Amino acid sequence: DTGVSQNPRHKITKRGQNVTFRCDPISEHNRLYWYRQTLGQGPEFLTYFQNEAQLEKSRLLSDRFSAERPKGSFSTLEIQRTEQGDSAMYLCASGRAYEQYFGPGTRLTVT
Amino acid sequence: ELKVEQNPLFLSMQEGKNYTIYCNYSTTSDRLYWYRQDPGKSLESLFVLLSNGAVKQEGRLMASLDTKARLSTLHITAAVHDLSATYFCAVVRGGGADGLTFGKGTHLIIQP
Repeated sequence: DTGVSQNPRHKITKRGQNVTFRCDPISEHNRLYWYRQTLGQGPEFLTYFQNEAQLEKSRLLSDRFSAERPKGSFSTLEIQRTEQGDSAMYLCASGRAYEQYFGPGTRLTVT
Repeated sequence: ELKVEQNPLFLSMQEGKNYTIYCNYSTTSDRLYWYRQDPGKSLESLFVLLSNGAVKQEGRLMASLDTKARLSTLHITAAVHDLSATYFCAVVRGGGADGLTFGKGTHLIIQP
């Protein structure tokens, strides 16, 4: 059990650029979640996959955000036309039933 | 809309003392979670409470759930410096939803 992994760990981008993050869940975990956390706040739910199906999306997930989990294993989160307000830690979690184990996160800075 | 409130948001206490963190939520929920976060790190799962009256303990931490009062508590017994961290509670909405709604967190400092 190697835990949830996320890449890259840090990303600095200029406003207007597109970025993509990757999450590799714990092996055999069929559920995968994306959250966003800003400084001093609790994580905010973005979206949830069960296997390859995206079952739940938060209203926070604007049209500029898209997430995929094409083969029910790893997942990607893409942000198009980044804005300074997108600067945050993006966290991925995985689980099999009710548990959610979090990865180390990707810290995004939009300049 | 589900809201999760934690009290207190900041807590400074001395080693050896006992204290309780409270988590209130606004609508019926199936599950309640407690996580710990150290500065610059991700979230570490502490407890998942699945039913009314559930109580779980790990070391100096004990969590309980009262679904009728929509209240969970995280009790710290004989605090030690290593427990200094931010503690979050989180709740899942009912109706098959699985995403968690988090409280703002309780920033706990335990002084020697």
